[in-house]
Amino acid sequence: NAGVMQNPRHLVRRRGQEARLRCSPMKGHSHVYWYRQLPEEGLKFMVYLQKENIIDESGMPKERFSAEFPKEGPSILRIQQVVRGDSAAYFCASSPKGRISGANVLTFGAGSRLTVL
Amino acid sequence: AQKITQTQPGMFVQEKEAVTLDCTYDTSDPSYGLFWYKQPSSGEMIFLIYQGSYDQQNATEGRYSLNFQKARKSANLVISASQLGDSAMYFCAMREPFYGGSQGNLIFGKGTKLSVKP
Repeated sequence: NAGVMQNPRHLVRRRGQEARLRCSPMKGHSHVYWYRQLPEEGLKFMVYLQKENIIDESGMPKERFSAEFPKEGPSILRIQQVVRGDSAAYFCASSPKGRISGANVLTFGAGSRLTVL
Repeated sequence: AQKITQTQPGMFVQEKEAVTLDCTYDTSDPSYGLFWYKQPSSGEMIFLIYQGSYDQQNATEGRYSLNFQKARKSANLVISASQLGDSAMYFCAMREPFYGGSQGNLIFGKGTKLSVKP
C-alpha cells in the first residue's frame, strides 16, 4: 500500500544539464500534480496531469520545463538546461479524482530536492 | 486573487500544552476549502485537516481542530496536548475556485515552524 513515490530524493546537476524527476502516484490514483517549494517558501502549483493529458499547466515556466504522465509508467517532470534558480524541492501529489476537496485530498510524496551547482 | 497568510514564522510550545497556529486567507469566492499540512524534517507533506466554507461546524481530527472564523477569514489550527513528534513545519492552504479551467489547485502559505520543548 505504498504512497506517492518520488525519485530521486536528491539530485545534483551542473548548470546547463537536464534534470528528470519521477513520480509514481498512489495505487488507484490517476490524477497527478507537481508543486515546487523554494527555500523558506510554501509550495507553488506547477502542473496537473491525468493519464496522457496535461489538464492545467498554468504554473509551469514557459521555457525549459515540461511534464508528462504516460499511459504506462510514472509521471516525469523534466527541466532542461538547469540554472541555479531551479534549485528547489519538487513535490508530486496524487488524488483519485479531479477537483480537490475534503473528500478528495492531495496525497504528497516526500519530494525531490534538486541542487544546481 | 486568492491569498494565504501565515504570520508566525516560528512558534515554541511546551510538551503537553495546546498551541494555535494562525492562518488568514483572502478570497472573493463563496465556495472554498482550507487545508492544513504538516511537513516534518524528513520532508513529506502530511494532510492533517480540512474545512469547507459551507461547513457548519469546525473540523476536528484527533488532537487537531480548526478554529474557523469565516467573518474574520481565519482558519487557525489548534493542536492539543503537544507531543515532541509535532515539531515540524505547518502549512495552511486554500483551494482555488472551480472556474476558468482550474481543478481547484492549492495555494499555500509560507508555513510556521513549530518546536515542541520537552
